Amino acid sequence: EAQVTQNPRYLITVTGKKLTVTCSQNMNHEYMSWYRQDPGLGLRQIYYSMNVEVTDKGDVPEGYKVSRKEKRNFPLILESPSPNQTSLYFCASSYGTAQETQYFGPGTRLLVL
Amino acid sequence: SQKIEQNSEALNIQEGKTATLTCNYTNYSPAYLQWYRQDPGRGPVFLLLIRENEKEKRKERLKVTFDTTLKQSLFHITASQPADSATYLCAPHIGGGADGLTFGKGTHLIIQP
Repeated sequence: EAQVTQNPRYLITVTGKKLTVTCSQNMNHEYMSWYRQDPGLGLRQIYYSMNVEVTDKGDVPEGYKVSRKEKRNFPLILESPSPNQTSLYFCASSYGTAQETQYFGPGTRLLVL
Repeated sequence: SQKIEQNSEALNIQEGKTATLTCNYTNYSPAYLQWYRQDPGRGPVFLLLIRENEKEKRKERLKVTFDTTLKQSLFHITASQPADSATYLCAPHIGGGADGLTFGKGTHLIIQP
């Protein structure tokens, strides 16, 4: 089954404790990205990757890191989480460009205390 | 700056009626526009894509129109059912480049039995 998976689905952590949210797709997609969704603000892009070893900042990259060492994986790293990073996070992928149909993962709900 | 507007208030429709959702955009001319459905706590799911040279696109009970003069897309669900209750997001294509899709904040649709 074609899908985007994320882990963990739910995470409670404390300020400053490094964490990684994994994202994997099995559709051989070139493009992958991370979004966060907050009430009243909608979906906002954090980082994206055009291909392996090619990443760039989206609209709200501060406090986040990413890497793309393999085509299928695109982990999101929070080196020192803060409470304002409490949010619902989605990984997405698409065949080619950023503007094509996006396939979203199930989401990761993060609470930073 | 580019702006996407969707009805921020919930739309209540009686079962069996046609639901019509609006997406207005300003300050750019998208070559195409996508509609997504999002259920609470889940990732958006692609529904339809309509291109600027297409006036209308249909898929089962769904219909999308695209008026480039009015800078507006309408999303219709005919014979609505309670299972259609969700938030619907529009995403006009902004242009070339690697930036991700820019989504509207969505309209929450409630189909009442």
